Amino acid sequence: QVQLQQWGAGLLKPSETLSLTCAVSGGSFSGFYWTWIRQSPGKGLEWIGEINHSGNTNYNPSLWSRLTMSVDTSRNQFSLKLNSVTAADTAVYYCARGVIDTMARIDLWGRGTLVSVSS
Amino acid sequence: EIVLTQSPDTLSLSPGERASLSCRASQSLSSSSLVWYQQKPGQAPRLLIYGTSSRATGIPDRFSGSGSGTDFTLTISRLEPEDFAVYYCQQYGRSPTFGQGTKVEIK
Repeated sequence: QVQLQQWGAGLLKPSETLSLTCAVSGGSFSGFYWTWIRQSPGKGLEWIGEINHSGNTNYNPSLWSRLTMSVDTSRNQFSLKLNSVTAADTAVYYCARGVIDTMARIDLWGRGTLVSVSS
Repeated sequence: EIVLTQSPDTLSLSPGERASLSCRASQSLSSSSLVWYQQKPGQAPRLLIYGTSSRATGIPDRFSGSGSGTDFTLTISRLEPEDFAVYYCQQYGRSPTFGQGTKVEIK
């Protein structure tokens, strides 16, 4: 059974860099788009971006200038970095698996990490 | 950016009743790109329907999706106690977006 386990710092100060990692176990790492999604009370669900095993990325245009996603295929892990965070970046961050074929969808989600930004 | 507007915000129904949830897009979508998720408190969303009408693995047949163009619907034919939750639609185009959600609550 495929599982996503995510971790990272949960409390940041404004201007710091948010850093999260997600490990994929029990299944293939290739053939999918590994995705980050966040959920805040004010903005609901927001798609952050995606990366495949080759490192090809697709970012949310509203976040792309602050975003970096990477993959480590030797460890079946993918990571998110979001720099210059503000209170508006406070949210639960989910890693997820995107199936990108004729009918794209997110079919597997991590448990989520609450990230709070406060001075 | 494609904006998805879900209605109503809250649907108050009794177990056994039929639920119809609407998702309207700001521009026409390919039917292959419309997805529905269910989320319960404290949990991650769960995939229900993709490609407008294809049920995900393990999803009971009381859940169905329909629509085209800018108007899409998720129907739950007979609400079970475990169906009371928040439902989100998503368009999975080049820059995916989500609707704001519809909460289905017990009347």
